[in-house]
Amino acid sequence: EDKVVQSPLSLVVHEGDTVTLNCSYEVTNFRSLLWYKQEKKAPTFLFMLTSSGIEKKSGRLSSILDKKELFSILNITATQTGDSAVYLCAVEAGYGGSQGNLIFGKGTKLSVKP
Amino acid sequence: DAMVIQNPRYQVTQFGKPVTLSCSQTLNHNVMYWYQQKSSQAPKLLFHYYDKDFNNEADTPDNFQSRRPNTSFCFLDIRSPGLGDAAMYLCATSRDIRQYFGPGTRLTVT
Repeated sequence: EDKVVQSPLSLVVHEGDTVTLNCSYEVTNFRSLLWYKQEKKAPTFLFMLTSSGIEKKSGRLSSILDKKELFSILNITATQTGDSAVYLCAVEAGYGGSQGNLIFGKGTKLSVKP
Repeated sequence: DAMVIQNPRYQVTQFGKPVTLSCSQTLNHNVMYWYQQKSSQAPKLLFHYYDKDFNNEADTPDNFQSRRPNTSFCFLDIRSPGLGDAAMYLCATSRDIRQYFGPGTRLTVT
């Protein structure tokens, strides 16, 4: 059965800390891995990763994928209170030419204290 | 294992033919959401239920309706599907900020 496991489930840090969020997966026919930030309602898109070893960066956030070891990490440096959110990892798995299905992890709830 | 279940996983419908997607949960969460997700985009919230209270997003087309007959079940009805409604439809539940997503229903409109 396809699954995506995120760790930790919850994390409390202080402003300025650096955090690493983990996402491991077991899926058949991997297509891509996506990271989202969810604050109140709909998640917002952060990164899509398809190739191993290529870091994607956006401001203080960065992410990398390891397709051999089947995991991805999301790093946030110099955290701010506005980074408090649930960070969701999802893996798209597909067959042939059809669009894939998304398997979501349970998310990591990050709380950044002033 | 408590979970969010969506049926069917794949649905093919004809242009203009009404279709209903189903979501059920064993988590006993009071909030249920329906999202539409198109390729390489973030999920777009269509509406959500807080208990029995229905909350429609301002830009959700009238073509999309929802029903929540009880805590466990929620349905998405598309009254007259157009080609542009082909997408992944995700159901999620929550009790607090954390949302638990189902596997989605991939809708194809022919």
